[in-house]
Amino acid sequence: DSGVTQTPKHLITATGQRVTLRCSPRSGDLSVYWYQQSLDQGLQFLIQYYNGEERAKGNILERFSAQQFPDLHSELNLSSLELGDSALYFCASSVTRGTGELFFGEGSRLTVL
Amino acid sequence: AQKVTQAQTEISVVEKEDVTLDCVYETRDTTYYLFWYKQPPSGELVFLIRRNSFDEQNEISGRYSWNFQKSTSSFNFTITASQVVDSAVYFCALSAYINTDKLIFGTGTRLQVFP
Repeated sequence: DSGVTQTPKHLITATGQRVTLRCSPRSGDLSVYWYQQSLDQGLQFLIQYYNGEERAKGNILERFSAQQFPDLHSELNLSSLELGDSALYFCASSVTRGTGELFFGEGSRLTVL
Repeated sequence: AQKVTQAQTEISVVEKEDVTLDCVYETRDTTYYLFWYKQPPSGELVFLIRRNSFDEQNEISGRYSWNFQKSTSSFNFTITASQVVDSAVYFCALSAYINTDKLIFGTGTRLQVFP
């Protein structure tokens, strides 16, 4: 158990809908990261927050947005969903920036029908 | 551009065999970090090792060992005397030295260890 909690574990929705994925980092970790894992794209970095502020951005679509709240939990919002958004979305956390030693949650599996 | 290549999509071995997972990387940075992560069937990724580009010493941790060769841009991972519990997908990753927050992952190698 990494200490990172993600909800929901599974989500099935229809194209055009909007969903929110939630992540609670390990106690004390200030950095939260979102990664997407799909069959065709592999594991891709989406975005990172550090203590409430956006720190780094990767291949995140404009239809996607994220934020980190004062209690350090984070949410990833996916809107106008398309079939190709079906993937496993991971949240990870680390105590500081720049160590690369990330603690991953078990992921939220999103299926868009 | 940064890139990580794991040419081996899937490897199957019998328990107690040694197995090496290959990782080749590309980067224009002179300083960088390399990582290995394990993704067991439960799904979450587990950090195994981080190596910076200054340090080409090989590392051993129990049955795991890592061979970093800057000359060939490779960072290979060997499991000695493999066990069924080693069955997982293993990912190699790269990041810039200054910003180690953004990991570039390879496509992963699925290792199946049969009893």
